[in-house]
Amino acid sequence: DAGVIQSPRHEVTEMGQEVTLRCKPISGHNSLFWYRQTMMRGLELLIYFNNNVPIDDSGMPEDRFSAKMPNASFSTLKIQPSEPRDSAVYFCASSPGRYQPQHFGDGTRLSIL
Amino acid sequence: AQTVTQSQPEMSVQEAETVTLSCTYDTSESDYYLFWYKQPPSRQMILVIRQEAYKQQNATENRFSVNFQKAAKSFSLKISDSQLGDAAMYFCAYRSAVRGNTPLVFGKGTRLSVIA
Repeated sequence: DAGVIQSPRHEVTEMGQEVTLRCKPISGHNSLFWYRQTMMRGLELLIYFNNNVPIDDSGMPEDRFSAKMPNASFSTLKIQPSEPRDSAVYFCASSPGRYQPQHFGDGTRLSIL
Repeated sequence: AQTVTQSQPEMSVQEAETVTLSCTYDTSESDYYLFWYKQPPSRQMILVIRQEAYKQQNATENRFSVNFQKAAKSFSLKISDSQLGDAAMYFCAYRSAVRGNTPLVFGKGTRLSVIA
């Protein structure tokens, strides 16, 4: 079975550019989570969806960040405009239900120059 | 808000020996899950073991076992017969079971080195 698929695996772009990260959850999983990993702050939640509906976006740093889940098989995390402090590894994870663990994608390493 | 604390930023163990990684958490909830995730240099997040708070029996997965002390809010991971492939970052994580499918709260991690 395919796991959580994230793209791109690496992204290098210049400050001010728009960045879009993509995630395809495991089929049948109704919850999707976006996490960010940095050396300073560790792993922290950005936003999560249940049944395609955003439940908690309190972890989104500021208005430059936005996330969508237009259907059960696709989600995007967008940063516009990007800044060097956004450089991090961004993980997407999905889970089939309340009592089931989360499965992580391989992450996107984002570097903003 | 729940917090997870891993007090050992780095640990090392000799191959074939046993090592214990510490984790404490803070919560006022009674229903929750605890997890240990492994992150090797490839940066994958790999689930090692999980524990349901309502279960008194400590979880075990092959060479990995936990010591879950609910009253003390402690959740340590024991790795027996350590192997070179166990070298990685290990994250302890908490998840509430009170309100549906909720996100993980992670500790800052422990970097484990295995010495041949």
